[in-house]
Parts: sequence; C-alpha cells; structure tokens
Amino acid sequence: DTAVSQTPKYLVTQMGNDKSIKCEQNLGHDTMYWYKQDSKKFLKIMFSYNNKELIINETVPNRFSPKSPDKAHLNLHINSLELGDSAVYFCASSQDLTGGNTIYFGEGSWLTVV
Amino acid sequence: AQSVTQPDIHITVSEGASLELRCNYSYGATPYLFWYVQSPGQGLQLLLKYFSGDTLVQGIKGFEAEFKRSQSSFNLRKPSVHWSDAAEYFCAVGTLGGSQGNLIFGKGTKLSVKP
Repeated sequence: DTAVSQTPKYLVTQMGNDKSIKCEQNLGHDTMYWYKQDSKKFLKIMFSYNNKELIINETVPNRFSPKSPDKAHLNLHINSLELGDSAVYFCASSQDLTGGNTIYFGEGSWLTVV
Repeated sequence: AQSVTQPDIHITVSEGASLELRCNYSYGATPYLFWYVQSPGQGLQLLLKYFSGDTLVQGIKGFEAEFKRSQSSFNLRKPSVHWSDAAEYFCAVGTLGGSQGNLIFGKGTKLSVKP
C-alpha cells in the first residue's frame, strides 16, 4: 500500500488552463504538506495543513489554492497556469506538527506548462 | 532563520569507493536533521534522521551520518558505494518547538557512480 499517493504523476497542459493535483495519505497522519521542486531540484514548502486547518502558506501566488476535505486528503488546485509553474509538486504527510517528525513524501507530480 | 547548505552540487565516485556528502546547517537550537534520497523520476525516501543521543546515526542502504555540533554539520557517509546509489541526496533540518513541523532542505547533491 502506498502511504502517500498523488495523482496524476505526469501532467502536460497549456498556459491559462486550470488543473488539480490530488493527494491522499493512508498513514492516519494529522499534517499534510505541498512542496515544490523547481528545475534546479530545489525543494521548498508551499503549504501545510493540520487537521484540515491551514498552517503554513508561503509566498505562493494566490492562483494556487490547496483544499483539504478531510485529514487524509490535501488537493492542490492551480488556476491560470503559467510557464513558470512547471515543476515537480510533492505531497507529504507527518504524524502532527511536532518538530522532528518524519515527513513522508509522495512520488511527485511532474507538471509541464506549454 | 534556519538554513541548510550542501556545498557539493555534483560528486562522482567509483563503484566500491567510499562516499561522504557534506551538509551544514544554521539553526539556533539543537536541530532535527534528515537525509533524503531521490532516485531519478522518483519521490523522496528517508535515509536516516538525527534527533538526539548518539551522534552517529545508522540508516537504510548502508548509510550513516554523524552530527557534529561544533561544526554545525551532518555529513552522510557510506563505506562502499553501489551503482544503485546514483541519485540526488538532500539534507534537511526540521524545526524544533512544534509550531510548524516542516523541513528546510538544502539544494541537493547529485551523486554519479562510475563502474
């Protein structure tokens, strides 16, 4: 069983489109995250949710809107896609917000905007 | 602010040779430290982590890392590299205190393995 699963794995879309990436974790964790990995492989947090409540919202364009319908899901919706949004997006989860908890990552969603 | 530096962008070693990947962190208190590995086209897998106690930490796949507070370092080592170890390696620091729980990553070191 995959602990953190995200779909789709690959997504190619045109500029201006709206797209969503779904994420689910079956670990019973309270906290979920979205990280972005840019073309230089740099990983940076975008959002975190704890018990469906937004905790971290880094400097991310408001075209990006996370939605957490329940603790096990954290979806990422992106409006009006731009070329610069091309990246790998990783969903992740941890037991809770306690510092030092292991964060488990999904396999990533490769987004290409053309 | 917390930060993580991985000074080596790309390292090439011969199969069977020893490996050391460097990681330096900046943090005001005792950090939680992690090493993750990312194989090409794959997600991130945890190799090992340091919380407290013994400063030499054993991980999966034969990796180990040593926390040196005086040098603010957490270098990853492996005595004998296998071709399957070729991947991108990320060092990360976890925030202490429980307010956020996220990780701050270094920029990664790409490991290539020569036959």
